[in-house]
Amino acid sequence: AQSVTQLGSHVSVSEGALVLLRCNYSSSVPPYLFWYVQYPNQGLQLLLKYTSAATLVKGINGFEAEFKKSETSFHLTKPSAHMSDAAEYFCAVSFQGAQKLVFGQGTRLTINP
Amino acid sequence: ETGVTQTPRHLVMGMTNKKSLKCEQHLGHNAMYWYKQSAKKPLELMFVYSLEERVENNSVPSRFSPECPNSSHLFLHLHTLQPEDSALYLCASSRESGVSYNEQFFGPGTRLTVL
Repeated sequence: AQSVTQLGSHVSVSEGALVLLRCNYSSSVPPYLFWYVQYPNQGLQLLLKYTSAATLVKGINGFEAEFKKSETSFHLTKPSAHMSDAAEYFCAVSFQGAQKLVFGQGTRLTINP
Repeated sequence: ETGVTQTPRHLVMGMTNKKSLKCEQHLGHNAMYWYKQSAKKPLELMFVYSLEERVENNSVPSRFSPECPNSSHLFLHLHTLQPEDSALYLCASSRESGVSYNEQFFGPGTRLTVL
């Protein structure tokens, strides 16, 4: 069975600092991995996805994530945080032919001025 | 309209009311989903429709009744709800399973409050 663990339900960084949101997955088959962002009172928006091509994936708004099979991780990073990055971030896993995504519990990112 | 739309965006209802949530996707997808998002809880998948047939029902109480009349529209009919059903209800769509991965596109959600 697939599962996703996001370490830290709440992360706080200063504006301009590195953002690192952690995601570890469990999957018995090659996974497809996603990061979604949710701004207040909105739905989820896809930030980036790993679909078995390049292990370093670049997404929107300057975010990127690296798939590390040996560590079963797919951490999300951004070199310099901006106030507009404050939101909830969800990691999700799927696999070929699956009809659904399995989501982590989410990490709320706060940016301090 | 583009993407996935949901109406209404906000809904307040009493426990004896009957109401419906509507979702429409303009992406040419043929799989649609209902999720429930409660405060301090993970996203809960409620229902999955693929090619207009329900393929998953995650032990959702019968007071929630989904309907998928065609591949572009999805409804969630509500009746005799409880206060604990208050949440953000999200709709999503994707291409049908069998493709290599399941990338879902989400609507903005309906914020439901049950009094």
